[in-house]
Amino acid sequence: AQSVSQHNHHVILSEAASLELGCNYSYGGTVNLFWYVQYPGQHLQLLLKYFSGDPLVKGIKGFEAEFIKSKFSFNLRKPSVQWSDTAEYFCAVNPAGSQGNLIFGKGTKLSVKP
Amino acid sequence: IAGITQAPTSQILAAGRRMTLRCTQDMRHNAMYWYRQDLGLGLRLIHYSNTAGTTGKGEVPDGYSVSRANTDDFPLTLASAVPSQTSVYFCASSMEINQPQHFGDGTRLSIL
Repeated sequence: AQSVSQHNHHVILSEAASLELGCNYSYGGTVNLFWYVQYPGQHLQLLLKYFSGDPLVKGIKGFEAEFIKSKFSFNLRKPSVQWSDTAEYFCAVNPAGSQGNLIFGKGTKLSVKP
Repeated sequence: IAGITQAPTSQILAAGRRMTLRCTQDMRHNAMYWYRQDLGLGLRLIHYSNTAGTTGKGEVPDGYSVSRANTDDFPLTLASAVPSQTSVYFCASSMEINQPQHFGDGTRLSIL
């Protein structure tokens, strides 16, 4: 079955530290890739997406992600986190031909200490 | 402000009761989705609709039904609620399938 794995359940960082959240998926064909963020008590918001082209995509709030097809990965990065980045981050994959269905990872909770 | 409206925001419900969660979007998006979010499990798709008049089953459809009579509304019905359906339910929409999805604020449902 298709799946999305997020390696870290909970990451704790100090402000200004660099962030990398791992995401791997199991689907071998063409995929669309997304990272969503959920701030405490709020709904999910799109951070960035990859459909095709440059595998390094830049999103909002200084986040970026790199699609490495050979590794089936789409890791999220930010050079310097802020306290306001405290949230839960979800990687999601939309395999081609899946009728638009998103398969979500289980999420990574990020806590940034001021 | 354009977006997705879910109602109610929260509800406590006795097991066995029928409940409909409402979802309305004013963005004229063709595709709509219902997810449940459970701690440690992320979001799981319940049902979806690629366009008005059509619906499809997601990963966890049992115990739930949906309808899509028009573009804007996509209600989710629990015919006979059970405690395992206690969850936070998110409605989402996208312009077309495979496009980024926009999410509502969620409905927190507790089944006792």
